[in-house]
Amino acid sequence: IAGITQAPTSQILAAGRRMTLRCTQDMRHNAMYWYRQDLGLGLRLIHYSNTAGTTGKGEVPDGYSVSRANTDDFPLTLASAVPSQTSVYFCASSDQGAHRETQYFGPGTRLLVL
Amino acid sequence: GENVEQHPSTLSVQEGDSAVIKCTYSDSASNYFPWYKQELGKRPQLIIDIRSNVGEKKDQRIAVTLNKTAKHFSLHITETQPEDSAVYFCAASKGQAGTALIFGKGTTLSVSS
Repeated sequence: IAGITQAPTSQILAAGRRMTLRCTQDMRHNAMYWYRQDLGLGLRLIHYSNTAGTTGKGEVPDGYSVSRANTDDFPLTLASAVPSQTSVYFCASSDQGAHRETQYFGPGTRLLVL
Repeated sequence: GENVEQHPSTLSVQEGDSAVIKCTYSDSASNYFPWYKQELGKRPQLIIDIRSNVGEKKDQRIAVTLNKTAKHFSLHITETQPEDSAVYFCAASKGQAGTALIFGKGTTLSVSS
């Protein structure tokens, strides 16, 4: 069982380019999330999805879009990257069961926008 | 919306000492409070959590206390070891799937031997 996987592990991207960060989970969790982590700011929610077919905006959604075509995948797209999007991006998921609040994190993607 | 404050930002202790990290939250509707440990270059890992119907929870050397009236919760690590060195994050949420965790800014704990 892989849990949550993210790809790529790291990426250097030219400003203005389009980039999709991939997130896949095999735990059949209904809810998925994207956070960005910046030094001194902790983790901040970008977008979330309660279930396949639905998405919502988090604390810092501008410049990012997501889709949830199925339960397992939750890609994050930067349509036109800017240097301020340099960050470490974490995907997370949570179940609908008794411990539905508990979020499990993927290994992260380090993104550098030049 | 919810706001979580975490203190201190850095904490240095000697091996065997106790460490305490404190968090306050603003939204009285929050009812789920997890703590995550993040080692350098790794993902955040859940180490303990507490729900608002409980005042204290313990798991071996770590414990969390919650004061709902004062809206604060704390992480206590006893008999610290060098492998406890990491960044610790507190968070708060309203405890439903699809609800965001609002994180504190983190505490860097250093345990020296």
